[in-house]
Amino acid sequence: EVQLVESGGSLVQPGGSLKLSCVASGFTFSNYWMDWVRQTPGKSLEWIGEINTDGSKTNYAPSIKDRFTISRDNAKSTLYLQMSNVKSDDTAIYYCTRIEEGFDYWGQGVMVTVSS
Amino acid sequence: DVVLTQTPVAQPVTLGDQASISCRSSQSLVHSNGNTYLEWYLQKPGQSPQLLIYKVSNRFSGVPDRFIGSGSGSDFTLKISRVEPEDLGVYYCFQATHDPYTFGAGTKLELK
Repeated sequence: EVQLVESGGSLVQPGGSLKLSCVASGFTFSNYWMDWVRQTPGKSLEWIGEINTDGSKTNYAPSIKDRFTISRDNAKSTLYLQMSNVKSDDTAIYYCTRIEEGFDYWGQGVMVTVSS
Repeated sequence: DVVLTQTPVAQPVTLGDQASISCRSSQSLVHSNGNTYLEWYLQKPGQSPQLLIYKVSNRFSGVPDRFIGSGSGSDFTLKISRVEPEDLGVYYCFQATHDPYTFGAGTKLELK
């Protein structure tokens, strides 16, 4: 069974940093591109960025570019989202997703709250 | 950025009815490789979104055939025939043709 389990969410102050993790199981992690998608409270979904299978290529949404970094450790079947210089607008539920034809599997999401 | 406009914002339905959701794009979603990367997702209350349809009209594994995606260019539709209780929630269209990829604002399918 495919599973994606995020962790690392918490309350963080504006300007601070946080690193989210997503542990994958039930499939060969290194064979798939992976993405992060977030959902702000009461609002729609926003694609954040993606990483290719070996981690050599990433692509980011303009809203988080130069502040967030996506990486992966295929030996640990783990996807990461390093968040820096966070703003109140970054308050959201963060989901990791697997890509095949579309985002075919999603994690349960992890909450990040940016507030002083 | 590509803007996806979903209508209606809310769709009240009676169980067993058909429902239809529109997703219009601010530009054509035909990729240079000839594919159209338009997807549909359903988010049930308290759950993560789940994939229903990819590349306009292809049902993801396990998705019932009462879900039908159609359209081309910049105009797309998701039809749900014979709505069942487990179909209630918020439907989102999503495009992965143009960077940055974008979601529509969502359509809530709810009981009348």
